[in-house]
Amino acid sequence: QVQLVQSGAEVKKPGSSVKVSCKASGGTFSSYAISWVRQAPGQGLEWMGRIIPILGIANYAQKFQGRVTITADKSTSTAYMELSSLRSEDTAVYYCARDGGVVPAASPRQENWFDPWGQGTLVTVSS
Amino acid sequence: EIVLTQSPATLSLSPGERATLSCRASQSVSSYLAWYQQKPGQAPRLLIYDASNRATGIPARFSGSGSGTDFTLTISSLEPEDFAVYYCQQRSNWPRGTFGQGTKLEIK
Repeated sequence: QVQLVQSGAEVKKPGSSVKVSCKASGGTFSSYAISWVRQAPGQGLEWMGRIIPILGIANYAQKFQGRVTITADKSTSTAYMELSSLRSEDTAVYYCARDGGVVPAASPRQENWFDPWGQGTLVTVSS
Repeated sequence: EIVLTQSPATLSLSPGERATLSCRASQSVSSYLAWYQQKPGQAPRLLIYDASNRATGIPARFSGSGSGTDFTLTISSLEPEDFAVYYCQQRSNWPRGTFGQGTKLEIK
C-alpha cells in the first residue's frame, strides 16, 4: 500500500520560491505518476500538474505553466513541486497524490484517479 | 476547458436521511468522473471512480451514477462521519484533472 509523506509547512516572502517534497513508501514509485493539487484557504481543489518518475515527463496546468516545476528522484522515491515568483494568492495547502500512468488504463480502474494523497503542506506567502 | 458545476453549494440534512449531490459538466466527460470526500484538516479521499465504482474500503451506502454531463453521488443513509465537503473531478482530457467547486454536507 503506497503512502505519501510530505515536507513541513513553509513561510515565504513574495517573489521567492518554495519547493515541497512528497516521499512515497510501498508500491513501485516509478511506475505511476504523482500529481500536485493545491487548496487555498476555504477554497476548492486545483490541479497543478504531475510527473511520471520512470520517464521524467511532467505535465502542467495552463495556469501554472512557466511558474511551476515538478521533478522526481527515483533513488529516494521522492517527488518535488517548486513554485516560483510567489505571491499572496499562492498561500494554500499543497497536496501530492498518486496518479495513473502515461495513458489511462482501461476503465474502470481505480489507479487512474488520485489515491492516496499526502497529508498536505501549508505554504504561507507573506511579507 | 471543461467546467464542473456542483449543486447545491450546501446541503443540510440529518443523520439517517438520504443525500443526493449533483455534478454537471460543461461538455461530455463520458464516465471519466470521480468523487472525493474531504473532512476539515484532512486530505481528500477517493470515494467513487469512473462514475459508479466504489473505491477500496468505501461503504456501500455511497453510490455514484451518471454519464456524459450529469452525475450524482448518493449517500443512502447518512452517518455522522459523512458530514464533509464532496468534490467531483473529471479526467476526460487526460492527464488533466479538473475539480468542481465542492458541496458542503452539513448537519441540520
